[in-house]
Amino acid sequence: TQLLEQSPQFLSIQEGENLTVYCNSSSVFSSLQWYRQEPGEGPVLLVTVVTGGEVKKLKRLTFQFGDARKDSSLHITAAQPGDTGLYLCRAGTALIFGKGTTLSVSS
Amino acid sequence: ETGVTQTPRHLVMGMTNKKSLKCEQHLGHNAMYWYKQSAKKPLELMFVYNFKEQTENNSVPSRFSPECPNSSHLFLHLHTLQPEDSALYLCASSQPQGALYEQYFGPGTRLTVT
Repeated sequence: TQLLEQSPQFLSIQEGENLTVYCNSSSVFSSLQWYRQEPGEGPVLLVTVVTGGEVKKLKRLTFQFGDARKDSSLHITAAQPGDTGLYLCRAGTALIFGKGTTLSVSS
Repeated sequence: ETGVTQTPRHLVMGMTNKKSLKCEQHLGHNAMYWYKQSAKKPLELMFVYNFKEQTENNSVPSRFSPECPNSSHLFLHLHTLQPEDSALYLCASSQPQGALYEQYFGPGTRLTVT
């Protein structure tokens, strides 16, 4: 069974701080996706990474796919309260999600 | 607005009731999914439909019965549920197998079984 381990499980920071969350597995994936879920809503797709070593930027969010395609990271620069939510990673075609990182950004 | 709608948004039902959850997507996708999201657990895939045909049943108890009359609509029929079935039920859609499975989720139905 493929497993996706996300860390940290919880993160509480002040507005303006930087942070990185991780998604790791022992399996190789053809692609990996990151989603953000706000309270009371469904997950929303942020990005898909498909190439080992790939880096994608979405405003203040930077996503990286590991060279071996077994892990990924999400870095947020100058976090804002609007970044609050549950960040989930999902292995491409396997339809498996990690447990997520719950991020709370206070002003 | 993701293009996927779910009704109702909240549902409280007794263990002997029968109810149905509805999902509709306006994205032209041909794959639809039901997920269960409980506290402290990862999203659990329940069912997958591709072109109206069920292609995956992730060992879901028979008290959950899915129905997909066309590629735009998906239902989850519920009967004789247990309190541990209380959760957020999420519907999603995507392009079918062979694509990147970029899923678009509805807002979910918060189900409480009393």
